[in-house]
Parts: sequence; structure tokens; C-alpha cells
Amino acid sequence: DAMVIQNPRYQVTQFGKPVTLSCSQTLNHNVMYWYQQKSSQAPKLLFHYYDKDFNNEADTPDNFQSRRPNTSFCFLDIRSPGLGDAAMYLCATSRGTGSSTDTQYFGPGTRLTVL
Amino acid sequence: AQSVTQLGSHVSVSEGALVLLRCNYSSSVPPYLFWYVQYPNQGLQLLLKYTSAATLVKGINGFEAEFKKSETSFHLTKPSAHMSDAAEYFCAVSEARGSASKIIFGSGTRLSIRP
Repeated sequence: DAMVIQNPRYQVTQFGKPVTLSCSQTLNHNVMYWYQQKSSQAPKLLFHYYDKDFNNEADTPDNFQSRRPNTSFCFLDIRSPGLGDAAMYLCATSRGTGSSTDTQYFGPGTRLTVL
Repeated sequence: AQSVTQLGSHVSVSEGALVLLRCNYSSSVPPYLFWYVQYPNQGLQLLLKYTSAATLVKGINGFEAEFKKSETSFHLTKPSAHMSDAAEYFCAVSEARGSASKIIFGSGTRLSIRP
């Protein structure tokens, strides 16, 4: 089945220690998104890639970076995690039709704990 | 700017009872609306979407939603609740963002099912 895969499902890191979260997709979609979801809140968009074009949300901290080496993979790098970065991180993909009907499909998420 | 408002952060129903989760939208253009479900420690799964083809939209797991322009509503219903329906439900509206899309989520409604 075509899908969005996130690894690992659970990640523990130490305060200030860089961490990388991984997302891959078999849908061959043009767009990949990263969201941060804190407890009991809605997901918040951090940034997205259309193909290799990176699009950052205005309020995303510089501590968060992303890489997309190819169509299938996208990485979220947190350079110096703080306690406030503990959250569920969700990856999503969409075809990238440029329309409001462009549906996003989500992966299972990675829950990040910062000690 | 588009937005959605979910009425009730927590809804509890008995197994077998009607499920009704409320969502109202605000949009100056025809909206494209979605309902997503999130089970504990999981990603978001698309339940159904409204893209103006039909006002009554049927989704997975027996859920459906009706788009009512006069009431600016897109409430989610299921005739008979099952224990497995316990989850967080997000209403969302989508808007085009360049070649991608941006989802504006509601604050979520946690559905509990009583035996």
C-alpha cells in the first residue's frame, strides 16, 4: 500500500543534543510537510517542500531545519532541542495541485521526548 | 482568512448512541473542508472531505458529514457509536498555498465512548 512512513516512532534526546527525524513516502507526491503537535493541541505547520523548493512558515524557529534529498525522503533536524520542543512531529504529503482540494496524507508521527 | 471552530473540546456518548461532533467554518470563498481522526499516539487519518460535489459526504468507519452553507456548518455524525471510535477528531479547512495547500485545523474534539 502507498503510504507515509515515519521513523522512529518514539525518539528520546537530551537537552541541546541535535536530533533528526525521518519521513518517507511511496505516494510519489510532490509536496512534503512537517507539523509539530503539542499535547491536546492541533498540529502546527513548520514548513513544507514542493519538490526541492523549501517553504518556511514565518513563525518557525531557526532551531528547526529540514532536508529533502529526493522525492521520497524528507528529514526534520532540530539543532538544539529544548524542553519546549517535546511534541509529536507529523509528516504529511500531497500531490501539489495548487488547489484547495489538494488533500494531505499523514504519517503515524514521531513522538519526541527531551530530557 | 479562513477558519474553523469546533464546539466542545470533549464529547462523551454511550456505545450505540448517535455521535455528533460540531464544526463551523468561516470563509469568504467556497471552502474545502475535511475531518481527520487521530487515535492515541498515531498520525491523522482522513475521515472524509467536502469539495463541493455533494453536500452529504460519506466517509470511512460509518461517519458522514453534511455541508450546510446557510449555517456555515460541517458537522460530523455517526448513527451508532462503537468503542473503537474513541479518538480525537479535527475539523479542518484547506486553502491553496502556491503549489501546495495549507490546512487550518480546528482545536479538536476528544470523543469518549461509555460502555
